Amino acid sequence: DAKTTQPPSMDCAEGRAANLPCNHSTISGNEYVYWYRQIHSQGPQYIIHGLKNNETNEMASLIITEDRKSSTLILPHATLRDTAVYYCIVTAGGTSYGKLTFGQGTILTVHP
Amino acid sequence: GAVVSQHPSRVICKSGTSVKIECRSLDFQATTMFWYRQFPKQSLMLMATSNEGSKATYEQGVEKDKFLINHASLTLSTLTVTSAHPEDSSFYICSARLSSGKGNEQFFGPGTRLTVL
Repeated sequence: DAKTTQPPSMDCAEGRAANLPCNHSTISGNEYVYWYRQIHSQGPQYIIHGLKNNETNEMASLIITEDRKSSTLILPHATLRDTAVYYCIVTAGGTSYGKLTFGQGTILTVHP
Repeated sequence: GAVVSQHPSRVICKSGTSVKIECRSLDFQATTMFWYRQFPKQSLMLMATSNEGSKATYEQGVEKDKFLINHASLTLSTLTVTSAHPEDSSFYICSARLSSGKGNEQFFGPGTRLTVL
């Protein structure tokens, strides 16, 4: 699986958009970009994933660059409950077996 | 969304005893479940992949005789930590994979905090 690079920490004001970047320059054609988050002392929570098109769901939007070497997770209106560690993971998707390899992630702190 | 439960949420045991942790997918069937371990201030580490009706696949460095995994049904996988020692104290998290046409996202349980005295 391709390796990802994320900033170790970010801050965001409550109510503002949180934009979390991720670099995955060695991503291959059949690999998806997944985002999970982990709130302290809980299991990770699936957020969103995509292959090459931008994706949006009720939690967030995922913007993937045209060359697929980087992506951005957007939380449109961050709340205090969005404070968590956010993990960007690249792995084979579709019907292929794909393990999730968690890196250190980005600690997002949302301030009042 | 898909819900995964774990039981117990917290367990304290004496050194040398065995502890069983259950992982259940509540509203979907999962042919594949995963077991992770997380030490304080560290990221999750995949221990093994559990496939219904077959033997688990362990990651390098994980002792299969110490961490027994059973996946007897499409909604239940169990992890048994045998002869637990203080260094096995950790946060154990399971996940179940939901296969869909768009990908194979994993849904995680709330975790089990194991403390070995």
